[in-house]
Amino acid sequence: QKEVEQNSGPLSVPEGAIASLNCTYSDRVSQSFFWYRQYSGKSPELIMSIYSNGDKEDGRFTAQLNKASQYVSLLIRDSQPSDSATYLCAVNRNFGNEKLTFGTGTRLTIIP
Amino acid sequence: GAVVSQHPSWVICKSGTSVKIECRSLDFQATTMFWYRQFPKQSLMLMATSNEGSKATYEQGVEKDKFLINHASLTLSTLTVTSAHPEDSSFYICNTGLAGGNEQFFGPGTRLTVL
Repeated sequence: QKEVEQNSGPLSVPEGAIASLNCTYSDRVSQSFFWYRQYSGKSPELIMSIYSNGDKEDGRFTAQLNKASQYVSLLIRDSQPSDSATYLCAVNRNFGNEKLTFGTGTRLTIIP
Repeated sequence: GAVVSQHPSWVICKSGTSVKIECRSLDFQATTMFWYRQFPKQSLMLMATSNEGSKATYEQGVEKDKFLINHASLTLSTLTVTSAHPEDSSFYICNTGLAGGNEQFFGPGTRLTVL
């Protein structure tokens, strides 16, 4: 079992719809969870972090964390073509500047 | 977020030469930096963790004598690819975060092409 699992996609979503990206992790004691967006040929960009169970909203993005189910998700509302990218889920066993464990990423395509 | 820079953004070199990549934290001090490599259409692969003032910790399978890491100051870590070969051609990216913080930020990356 991989430590952090994501559906590789590609996930195609019509423009204006909600894109839902999912991630599961195996280390039950993980504390910090992150979503990065990576455009082709560019480095990853941090878009959301979440540490507590529940939802965290930032603009069109909502991160959801369920530690009991070891599940973290990212919802993108009103999807735009510019949201087309690979989304990486990352998990830290602790808080702080320590090694992240990344999923392999989900490729999202927003269809105009 | 915190700003991390890398230099150069791209480099082309001949096989057998060495290439140095710099990663700088511009507005904060970074005691720990992480170096990743990413081949086309593949996921990030952590190569090593560099700590200011001490030896880097390499991931399994990464040759420490080939990929030399130096973290001599709180704002600069360098990765030197020694005796580069075409199979070393890749996208090299560093990331780090504020000491005591939780979020980590990537540099823009360095695309290395070895001829």
